[in-house]
Amino acid sequence: AQSVTQLGSHVSVSEGALVLLRCNYSSSVPPYLFWYVQYPNQGLQLLLKYTTGATLVKGINGFEAEFKKSETSFHLTKPSAHMSDAAEYFCAVSLRGSNYKLTFGKGTLLTVNP
Amino acid sequence: KAGVTQTPRYLIKTRGQQVTLSCSPISGHRSVSWYQQTPGQGLQFLFEYFSETQRNKGNFPGRFSGRQFSNSRSEMNVSTLELGDSALYLCASRGDSGNTEAFFGQGTRLTVV
Repeated sequence: AQSVTQLGSHVSVSEGALVLLRCNYSSSVPPYLFWYVQYPNQGLQLLLKYTTGATLVKGINGFEAEFKKSETSFHLTKPSAHMSDAAEYFCAVSLRGSNYKLTFGKGTLLTVNP
Repeated sequence: KAGVTQTPRYLIKTRGQQVTLSCSPISGHRSVSWYQQTPGQGLQFLFEYFSETQRNKGNFPGRFSGRQFSNSRSEMNVSTLELGDSALYLCASRGDSGNTEAFFGQGTRLTVV
């Protein structure tokens, strides 16, 4: 079975500062990894995904994440936070060959201060 | 291309009643999954349908059921509602290829009173 741990349920940064949201996963087989963002009263929007190939993945809105197999991590970063980045972020994993089921972390609420 | 559409957006039901939620996937997508989101438990997988067949089911009681129609639209039903069923129910559709992402609808907010 797979699991996801997001360190820090709430992260607060200043506008223009680096955003770092942490995600560690546990999986018995090489996983697919995803980051989703959720704005209040909205569904989930995919930011980026790792399936195979390059371990540094670039997504929408300037976000990127690096898959580190040795550390079982998939941390999300953005060099410079914008007020519009304030939202809840979810890391998720699915197994190759059975990728219809996503297992999510508990989420990290990002606050951006002016 | 229209996204995933869930109806209704908001529902208020009384304990003991039953409810049906609807999800229309992206055109051409045959896989539809349902998730429950609550503050305490987070996002949890309910079930997934592909071509009218349930392929996988999460760890939820039998009061939660679903179905998929030939046009890929899906419904989920919750019978004998409990207060703890209050949640945001999210539907996601995906394409057929092996590593496509799930596209989520805006969800149905169910409140049980």
